[in-house]
Amino acid sequence: DGGITQSPKYLFRKEGQNVTLSCEQNLNHDAMYWYRQDPGQGLRLIYYSQIVNDFQKGDIAEGYSVSREKKESFPLTVTSAQKNPTAFYLCATNVGRGEKLFFGSGTQLSVL
Amino acid sequence: AQTVTQSQPEMSVQEAETVTLSCTYDTSESNYYLFWYKQPPSRQMILVIRQEAYKQQNATENRFSVNFQKAAKSFSLKISDSQLGDTAMYFCAFLTFTGNQFYFGTGTSLTVIP
Repeated sequence: DGGITQSPKYLFRKEGQNVTLSCEQNLNHDAMYWYRQDPGQGLRLIYYSQIVNDFQKGDIAEGYSVSREKKESFPLTVTSAQKNPTAFYLCATNVGRGEKLFFGSGTQLSVL
Repeated sequence: AQTVTQSQPEMSVQEAETVTLSCTYDTSESNYYLFWYKQPPSRQMILVIRQEAYKQQNATENRFSVNFQKAAKSFSLKISDSQLGDTAMYFCAFLTFTGNQFYFGTGTSLTVIP
């Protein structure tokens, strides 16, 4: 069953807590992305990675961190420095330049 | 910097009718890619159609077609014979030819009325 798996589906964060969102893919795609979706604002890029052990900041990287130790995995940590983390987070991959994005099913993060 | 504008936050269409969603973009690049994605209430993002800017022919996928006007930097999506399952948020997206960063519009919420 090929695709992109995001977990958990729902996540709650307490004040001052770091939380990690998981993204795993078995599509053998090199590039992986993290997007944040807020109502009325479309998708905004947080981080992306084109190869293992390398990643670049997107437009809204402040308060977030990532790692890419394996081709299959690109976890996103929402740190306590992110003061407004409530949003829907989407992980995506693509096979190469110019090709479409494949998306996971998303994680809804809320603040307690 | 690239920007993508969707000026219609909400639209509705009667079942079986045709509707057009608009998208404009701003870029200094001459080669790039354009996409329309659909996000139904399940929130799963699904590719609707892809257009290569260096191809003059407008892309089509069954009931979905685009009107790509490169000089005007316009990329509208036409949905023919609208079905209830077309109810979704639709996002226009831009990708530079040399880069790997997608730029998304703010979306148009389409409701198909039975």
